[in-house]
Amino acid sequence: AQKVTQAQTEISVVEKEDVTLDCVYETRDTTYYLFWYKQPPSGELVFLIRRNSFDEQNEISGRYSWNFQKSTSSFNFTITASQVVDSAVYFCALSDANDYKLSFGAGTTVTVRA
Amino acid sequence: ETGVTQTPRHLVMGMTNKKSLKCEQHLGHNAMYWYKQSAKKPLELMFVYSLEERVENNSVPSRFSPECPNSSHLFLHLHTLQPEDSALYLCASSQDRRGGNYEQFFGPGTRLTVL
Repeated sequence: AQKVTQAQTEISVVEKEDVTLDCVYETRDTTYYLFWYKQPPSGELVFLIRRNSFDEQNEISGRYSWNFQKSTSSFNFTITASQVVDSAVYFCALSDANDYKLSFGAGTTVTVRA
Repeated sequence: ETGVTQTPRHLVMGMTNKKSLKCEQHLGHNAMYWYKQSAKKPLELMFVYSLEERVENNSVPSRFSPECPNSSHLFLHLHTLQPEDSALYLCASSQDRRGGNYEQFFGPGTRLTVL
């Protein structure tokens, strides 16, 4: 069975601080996909990144970066120089290559204070 | 309109009412999904449609009835709901129902309150 754990329930930082969100996953599949989504107060989940299990290269997109480590089954997400607009709930999710089901973690609420 | 739209954005209904939630995707996708997001619980997949055929009914009570008349529209018909059904209902779409290879795009959700 697939499982995604986001151990951090809430994180509060001051603007310009870096924040790292942890994501640990469990799967028996050798081919799988990992995702991060952002849910701002408006409610809509916004897709941030998809990473397949064969690509362990870290990725950077602006102030966002992701660290994928198969050895520890982790796919962590870092926001550098956080801004108030980064305040949201962030979800990590997992699916295997031949299924439509996304298994979501419980989410981490990030609050960035000015 | 772009992306995935949902109407209404907010809905308050009594337990004896019948209402419907509507979702429309403008992305040319062929798979659509209904999710339920309750407070302090992970997102729960309710239904999946692929090419207008229901491929998943995730043990959802019969008081929720989905309908997919075409690949762009998805409805969730509600009747005789319970207060515990109050939640944010999210619609999503993807390029292919084997969603692993394609990200799902979500609508803004309908905030449902059952009195």
